[in-house]
Amino acid sequence: RKEVEQDPGPFNVPEGATVAFNCTYSNSASQSFFWYRQDCRKEPKLLMSVYSSGNEDGRFTAQLNRASQYISLLIRDSKLSDSATYLCVVNMNHKIIFGSGTRLSIRP
Amino acid sequence: GAGVSQSPSNKVTEKGKDVELRCDPISGHTALYWYRQSLGQGLEFLIYFQGNSAPDKSGLPSDRFSAERTGGSVSTLTIQRTQQEDSAVYLCASSLVPGTDYEQYFGPGTRLTVT
Repeated sequence: RKEVEQDPGPFNVPEGATVAFNCTYSNSASQSFFWYRQDCRKEPKLLMSVYSSGNEDGRFTAQLNRASQYISLLIRDSKLSDSATYLCVVNMNHKIIFGSGTRLSIRP
Repeated sequence: GAGVSQSPSNKVTEKGKDVELRCDPISGHTALYWYRQSLGQGLEFLIYFQGNSAPDKSGLPSDRFSAERTGGSVSTLTIQRTQQEDSAVYLCASSLVPGTDYEQYFGPGTRLTVT
């Protein structure tokens, strides 16, 4: 079993739709969690950290469920510019594990 | 300000040759990470530096891979006797301190092609 698993997608949704991704992790001792965004042939960039209490940044909401060992990302009112690969990242004692990413494509 | 830089941006080498990849982290960042990303795949963790020391080398795929960091700044990743399966984009990232909550800033990567 992979340490961090994501649905690879692609998710193809119309502009304005709400879309959600989940990511599961295998190590219960994992300490911190992030969502990164990677555009085609570009480097990853931090989208948001994920806190136990859940956090929101504009149209983006991230949640962590430690009991079930998954994190989620919700994107509301999706824009064309949201098209990218979304990488789930789990950090345990500085060992950084990236998921293989979920591809999102927003269509007009 | 200046971000993470990597050189070369592209490297084509023949199988069996050695290559050296360079990473210049953001000034003042004490943590430095190397990753590998094969086409269409996620990032594979290779090695992490805290200052000049590497507490975690567990991700290095074989003894052909080595990395060092000097002066708490520049890092080089060396691949000896390259193989075709080494072809990938090698990404370097740095963060302010090696803490669990600190954002990693990525360089643009070095695209390595082994022919």
